[in-house]
Amino acid sequence: QQQVKQSPQSLIVQKGGISIINCAYENTAFDYFPWYQQFPGKGPALLIAIRPDVSEKKEGRFTISFNKSAKQFSLHIMDSQPGDSATYFCAASYFTSGSRLTFGEGTQLTVNP
Amino acid sequence: DVKVTQSSRYLVKRTGEKVFLECVQDMDHENMFWYRQDPGLGLRLIYFSYDVKMKEKGDIPEGYSVSREKKERFSLILESASTNQTSMYLCASRQGARGNQPQHFGDGTRLSIL
Repeated sequence: QQQVKQSPQSLIVQKGGISIINCAYENTAFDYFPWYQQFPGKGPALLIAIRPDVSEKKEGRFTISFNKSAKQFSLHIMDSQPGDSATYFCAASYFTSGSRLTFGEGTQLTVNP
Repeated sequence: DVKVTQSSRYLVKRTGEKVFLECVQDMDHENMFWYRQDPGLGLRLIYFSYDVKMKEKGDIPEGYSVSREKKERFSLILESASTNQTSMYLCASRQGARGNQPQHFGDGTRLSIL
């Protein structure tokens, strides 16, 4: 059973636009929500992460918005660039020791020049 | 920089063969993980290890086993390969056991079972 649902599966955005990827989780005990970015031919790498005690976290052009009551979180990429074209995975885990990540299905983002 | 190295980028094997996928990390990380990546299914955890000679099942362990005899090396074994195990396999390592520490991934092994 997929505990983290991600949408859309694919996304095409024009250069300079805003890319938005959404995730929903089921387990209310999750308390750490990272996003991983994967370029073709490479393994995923941590992009940005948030804990549920804040509603938003921003790092450069990347922002996570978190809605605890709705059990949803999203990644916003402002001023999207062709170099942002990649597959993005949301994930969830427990902050405490012994934790493992549960990943969403992934979103393939294409930013057209 | 952390480096996680998977021994093969591409591998082709036959049904019924015993297949070994090797992963080595160079940062003395305690935790290591094996995932498979399939389109539309994301990354699914097969097995993980918190320390040498320790292993725990992930979400899809059936048909797989693992070995961790040394801290830096974590091997995934397909006991009798089947066509439904054709996939991209990713290895990852993590410094400690806390959930907020990043996992560092290798570049994957694309395995085809004929």
